[in-house]
Amino acid sequence: SQQGEEDPQALSIQEGENATMNCSYKTSINNLQWYRQNSGRGLVHLILIRSNEREKHSGRLRVTLDTSKKSSSLLITASRAADTASYFCALCPPGTYKYIFGTGTRLKVLA
Amino acid sequence: NAGVTQTPKFQVLKTGQSMTLQCAQDMNHEYMSWYRQDPGMGLRLIHYSVGAGITDQGEVPNGYNVSRSTTEDFPLRLLSAAPSQTSVYFCASSYSRGKLDGLSYEQYFGPGTRLTVT
Repeated sequence: SQQGEEDPQALSIQEGENATMNCSYKTSINNLQWYRQNSGRGLVHLILIRSNEREKHSGRLRVTLDTSKKSSSLLITASRAADTASYFCALCPPGTYKYIFGTGTRLKVLA
Repeated sequence: NAGVTQTPKFQVLKTGQSMTLQCAQDMNHEYMSWYRQDPGMGLRLIHYSVGAGITDQGEVPNGYNVSRSTTEDFPLRLLSAAPSQTSVYFCASSYSRGKLDGLSYEQYFGPGTRLTVT
């Protein structure tokens, strides 16, 4: 399988702490995307990082990409209870239209 | 804009029955796709389309058919439902560029259809 692998599978932190989740993949990429899924709902796009970028910020989110190690990380700073959700990485190998999603990290932020 | 809409929200089928899951988008996106989500498995691509009249298989296409007669609609048909098709199904759409660049835009997801096959 070419699925992305995320770790940890689950993460529980206190409100105000930072949360870091990682995504490793096996194929080459043009870009890597991160999505959030609240329980029982559709996925919402968070951020896209291109293969020639090493770091990208969006509000309290910071994404890094290391194409030599085929890995990416998502950092959520100053977490809130509303950040409780599952987070997925997604990538599309060049020359295809087939997205590959990671297995997801379930984040629980305790108030 | 309604974004991506899916119907029905819930469905229970008996083994062997057929049905169609509906998906529509009003953003004039060329790319549309169907995924299934099973516990602990993330999302797996079933079929996708890069424009009206053009469809192709994803990672897990067996037991499903699709068609794309308009830009807006991308229905997913279950031919003969099996318990292994019990899952949550998501439809998504996005802009797309040429194949050499791959998909470089965010996907917009529908709210999902929860399907149970008994």
